[in-house]
Parts: sequence; C-alpha cells; structure tokens
Amino acid sequence: AQSVAQPEDQVNVAEGNPLTVKCTYSVSGNPYLFWYVQYPNRGLQFLLKYITGDNLVKGSYGFEAEFNKSQTSFHLKKPSALVSDSALYFCAVRDGGSYIPTFGRGTSLIVHP
Amino acid sequence: DAGVIQSPRHEVTEMGQEVTLRCKPISGHNSLFWYRQTMMRGLELLIYFNNNVPIDDSGMPEDRFSAKMPNASFSTLKIQPSEPRDSAVYFCASSPRSGPPAQYFGPGTRLLVL
Repeated sequence: AQSVAQPEDQVNVAEGNPLTVKCTYSVSGNPYLFWYVQYPNRGLQFLLKYITGDNLVKGSYGFEAEFNKSQTSFHLKKPSALVSDSALYFCAVRDGGSYIPTFGRGTSLIVHP
Repeated sequence: DAGVIQSPRHEVTEMGQEVTLRCKPISGHNSLFWYRQTMMRGLELLIYFNNNVPIDDSGMPEDRFSAKMPNASFSTLKIQPSEPRDSAVYFCASSPRSGPPAQYFGPGTRLLVL
C-alpha cells in the first residue's frame, strides 16, 4: 500500500522569503516521489522527481526537494519565493512495483508581495 | 510536442444527457490515466490504461461511467446518464514507457451538469 500526506492546506509566505511545502509518504517498497504544480484553470504540471541517487533533487522554476528516508519526507523548497509561484502544489508517491501514483490533497501556496 | 490534448475544454449539459470526453495522449506514451478533480474529494484516479488495455478501473464511480482506448492515440470517457454530482474537472494524463515515470496532464475538461 502507498499513501502520501500534505499536512498543510495552505502555506503563506512573503515574496523573497524561502518557502517549504511539506510532504510525507508511506510505501512498502522503494518510493518514487514527485511534485506537481497546478495553476488556476490548468492541468497539473510536473516539477521534479526523486527516483534514486542524490537526496536533493532540483527541478523547474528554481524548486528543489529533499528526500529524507528516515523521516519518510519529501518537502518542496525554494530559496526565494515569487508572487508567480502562487499555485496549488501536489506531492505524489509511487511504490517501485506499482505504476499508479497516489496524490496528496494538495497545498495552496500563496506568496504575498 | 503538442502535449496531452483534451476536448471539449468546457461542457455544460443537463441531467440525464450523455457526455463524452476525449483525450489524445502524447505520442509514444503507453500509459493513460483519467482523473476527476473536485474541491470536496481532490484528485481521484478513475481508470488506468496500459498499452490500450484497462488495467485498473476501481476508481470508476459506477456503471454510468465507461472509458475506452481503441488505439494508442485516443481515449474517451463517457458518462450516461449524467447527474449534477458528476460536475468536476476531468483530466487525462499520459506517461512514457521509458525515461522519467512522471505523468503529463492535459488541460482538463470542466464539466457542469445542471
């Protein structure tokens, strides 16, 4: 079984400040982890993934995520937030033996000017 | 690459009518997923096809929903008869047979059943 939790429905941050969007997961095997972003009235857009290798993964638009196996977490981070980063962010996990990912409920990121 | 194409983008219909949503996955992708997104339930997987074959349809709400994938470049999701509770945004996503196993989503079809 696989599951993912995004404990915050909403994250507020001031422009220029660092941001973190939290994600924890549970899988029975090796995890494949993903972050997606959804802008209003658009489909989900792939940001980055962790499959294996370095625990710090870099993705699109300056985002990065850190895989922490002991804490079963995959938090999304960005050093300096932009107003244009305001969107809905989804974490997803796939057990290595499955082809169907499980998505979190999503976290709304609001970046204030 | 044109990305995943969905049509129509918006659909307004009356309760009891048949609704057909269409999807063209990215060329060369062998997996296709249909999702439904609502405020109440978030993103729900409805059905997953691999190589045009339905592999997991456990998320299909009830017999009113059906999905087909007659070939690698086309899929439909049909609701018959439609009900107001079917109002949602329906997404199609495809995934490649090799490389990063991420999903690529279409723009969605916003369905409103009156």
